[in-house]
Formats: sequence, C-alpha cells, structure tokens
Amino acid sequence: GENVEQHPSTLSVQEGDSAVIKCTYSDSASNYFPWYKQELGKRPQLIIDIRSNVGEKKDQRIAVTLNKTAKHFSLHITETQPEDSAVYFCAASLFTGGGNKLTFGTGTQLKVEL
Amino acid sequence: NAGVTQTPKFRVLKTGQSMTLLCAQDMNHEYMYWYRQDPGMGLRLIHYSVGEGTTAKGEVPDGYNVSRLKKQNFLLGLESAAPSQTSVYFCASSYGVRYSGANVLTFGAGSRLTVL
Repeated sequence: GENVEQHPSTLSVQEGDSAVIKCTYSDSASNYFPWYKQELGKRPQLIIDIRSNVGEKKDQRIAVTLNKTAKHFSLHITETQPEDSAVYFCAASLFTGGGNKLTFGTGTQLKVEL
Repeated sequence: NAGVTQTPKFRVLKTGQSMTLLCAQDMNHEYMYWYRQDPGMGLRLIHYSVGEGTTAKGEVPDGYNVSRLKKQNFLLGLESAAPSQTSVYFCASSYGVRYSGANVLTFGAGSRLTVL
C-alpha cells in the first residue's frame, strides 16, 4: 500500500518568514495530494490540494508543488502569521470510484513566533 | 446544514466492554470513512464505505466493525475494547466520483475514546 513520509516533525519560524513542509510518497499510481491543517483539539480541515496532472497550485499565501518523478510534494506558506500555528498533514491517494482512501503523513507542528 | 456529526464526543471504557460510535452526515455524501489519530502517527484509515450497504477494510481494521445501513450514517463498533484502542476517532465523508470536488473529505469533530 501507499506510504507517506513527512518532514520536519516540528518547525518554528518567525512571523513573516516562509515555512516549507515536505512529503514523499511510495505509490507512483497516487493521483491526489491534499494538505490538511489541524488546530489543537479541532478537526482536520483541507487547506489546499493538487492532482497529479498539475505541478503547482497556489492560493494566496499557500502553495503546493508536486514532483511526480521524484514522488514528492511540498507545502509552502509565505508571510507566516501566528494563526498559521497548527499541525499540518500531507496525504496521498489513488482516487477512483472505490473511494478516496487517503494515506496521511505523520504531521508537522508549525509554530509561528512573534 | 450540520455537516458531519459524531457521537459521543468523549467516552471512557473498561477493557472488554463494547461500544458504538455514530457518524451522521447531511450532505448526501456517498463515501464515508473512519480514521483514528494517535500522537506521532497521523490519521490511519480503519474502515470505509462507498455507499449504503457497503463496507471495506482500511489500513488498521482489526478489533473494529462497521455498518452502513443508511446512506447518512456510518457506525463504528468495538466489540471488546482494548487499551490499544485508546485514540481520537474521526469520521469523514465525501461525494461519489461523478461529482466535482468528490475527492474532498469533510471531517467530523472527533470522538475521544479512552480504554482503561
């Protein structure tokens, strides 16, 4: 099955700096790569996703890049703010009619310091 | 529109007891999933369903059973709880493949289960 590795496990940045979280996946057939943000005690919420036919996607301060050849994808957050502090999870799946069975990474605790 | 609702939110069990977690969604989603979240391990898929009356095993199904008798509900059962099942359980749902945005999962608020 799919295996997703995520690094780093913790990341501390100064407000206004950029943050980068990296993930690798094992199954070359995977075609969907979302990123979820989870605040303490809350549910995971989708912040951005990318499909395998796209190399990069941006939404305001958040961007995701995908390198299918190397089987890795990254989350980039620019101009970080204190409210960006949370745990971020990457995930991968082969999305078919059989459901979207996401395999998650182990998470990155991002702390944005003032 | 409540989205995905999980009950109960908290539960403490003794080893060997049984219980059922209920997930209900009001978005007419076809797919439903149960994940567990443990520190340092991310979210792991327990069981999932691609439609009413169907269920399938995920990554960590042992010790759990599920049922989807109605499209809007997905039940997760623990027949004989063990301390290793202490975790936070998240239910999620999504549209079927023919809908735009079908791959986006909407999560419930979670159910914290402690087995003593």
